[in-house]
Amino acid sequence: DAGVIQSPRHEVTEMGQEVTLRCKPISGHDYLFWYRQTMMRGLELLIYFNNNVPIDDSGMPEDRFSAKMPNASFSTLKIQPSEPRDSAVYFCASSLLRTSGRWRPGELFFGEGSRLTVL
Amino acid sequence: DQQVKQNSPSLSVQEGRISILNCDYTNSMFDYFLWYKKYPAEGPTFLISISSIKDKNEDGRFTVFLNKSAKHLSLHIVPSQPGDSAVYFCAASAGNNDMRFGAGTRLTVKP
Repeated sequence: DAGVIQSPRHEVTEMGQEVTLRCKPISGHDYLFWYRQTMMRGLELLIYFNNNVPIDDSGMPEDRFSAKMPNASFSTLKIQPSEPRDSAVYFCASSLLRTSGRWRPGELFFGEGSRLTVL
Repeated sequence: DQQVKQNSPSLSVQEGRISILNCDYTNSMFDYFLWYKKYPAEGPTFLISISSIKDKNEDGRFTVFLNKSAKHLSLHIVPSQPGDSAVYFCAASAGNNDMRFGAGTRLTVKP
């Protein structure tokens, strides 16, 4: 079974350039998350979607960051213009809401991440 | 603000001994807690979880303990193995799929 697929795995760019990260969630999953991992803050939730609709984008650091999910099988995270402090590993994850008696969230399935370096 | 805190950035343990990783949270609405494990150059993978209606959940060598009054949970690994060396993330959710993670603890198990 294909897991969450992210591209590119590595991106090196110069300050001011536009960066687009891509994610294909696991088929059938109805939640998609974008996380950023840094040494200082660990895994930060940036935004998440439910059925392609953004639910909470309060973690998006600035207006330079935007995310879209045009359909159930694709999402993008865009940074424009990029800055050196945006350098991090960006993870996409998907999950399926599960109920088993008592409501509980589904576990997240993460992609391998996109390592971004902004010079 | 960090609603989930892992105050120990690293932990080193001898093979065969117990590893105890700790996590504190501030949001009393959290009702589901998870641990994820991450190897270098890979995404985090789910390890074990616990609902707030329980105080312990065990899965093989891994046990998670939850102390709601102290807003504290811990992951015990016994016996620890070199293959357990990884970064461990604590995560919590407040009744929805919005999952918040701690900063992670790097566990090193020495042979």
